[in-house]
Amino acid sequence: EVQLVESGGGLVQPGGSLRLSCAASGFTFSSYSMNWVRQAPGKGLEWVSYISSSSSTIYYADSVKGRFTISRDNAKNSLYLQMNSLRAEDTAVYYCARVSIAARKFDYWGQGTLVTVSS
Amino acid sequence: DIQMTQSPSSLSASVGDRVTITCRASQGISNYLAWYQQKPGKVPKLLIYAASTLQSGVPSRFSGSGSGTDFTLTISSLQPEDVATYYCQKYNSAPFTFGPGTKVDIK
Repeated sequence: EVQLVESGGGLVQPGGSLRLSCAASGFTFSSYSMNWVRQAPGKGLEWVSYISSSSSTIYYADSVKGRFTISRDNAKNSLYLQMNSLRAEDTAVYYCARVSIAARKFDYWGQGTLVTVSS
Repeated sequence: DIQMTQSPSSLSASVGDRVTITCRASQGISNYLAWYQQKPGKVPKLLIYAASTLQSGVPSRFSGSGSGTDFTLTISSLQPEDVATYYCQKYNSAPFTFGPGTKVDIK
């Protein structure tokens, strides 16, 4: 069974940093591209970042470029999001989502971890 | 960047009604369009990909159509368990933008 479990969320002050993790199981993690998607309270879905299976291709949304860094450790079946210079508008539930190999759809999502940026 | 819009932003329909949601891309995206269902407090669930392919396990009352810039999601007979917000998403190239969502509830 495919499982994605996010962790690392919490309360952080504006300007602070946080590192999110997504632990993957039930599939060959090293073969799949991954994404981070976030959802602010009461708002819609916002794609944040993408990383290819080998980490050779990385994309960011303009809203986080220069502040967030996506990475992965295929040996540990883990995906990460390093978030620096956090702002109030970064407050959201952060989901990791797998990209299927053939169809490129976001087929499996984790349960999400809440990040709150507030003083 | 390509922008995604959805209409309506919300709708209310009766059980058994046919419901149609429209998604429009500001530029052509071929058929790289997915639809997700998100129930209150839950994780988004993939319903349809490649504009019209039903994800495994999704009820057949859901269908999708379109190509290029205009797409539709249809629920042929609305059920109480379909109360949710529905999002379209382009995935032909980054950024993998989502539409603003359409909230569906029961009249």
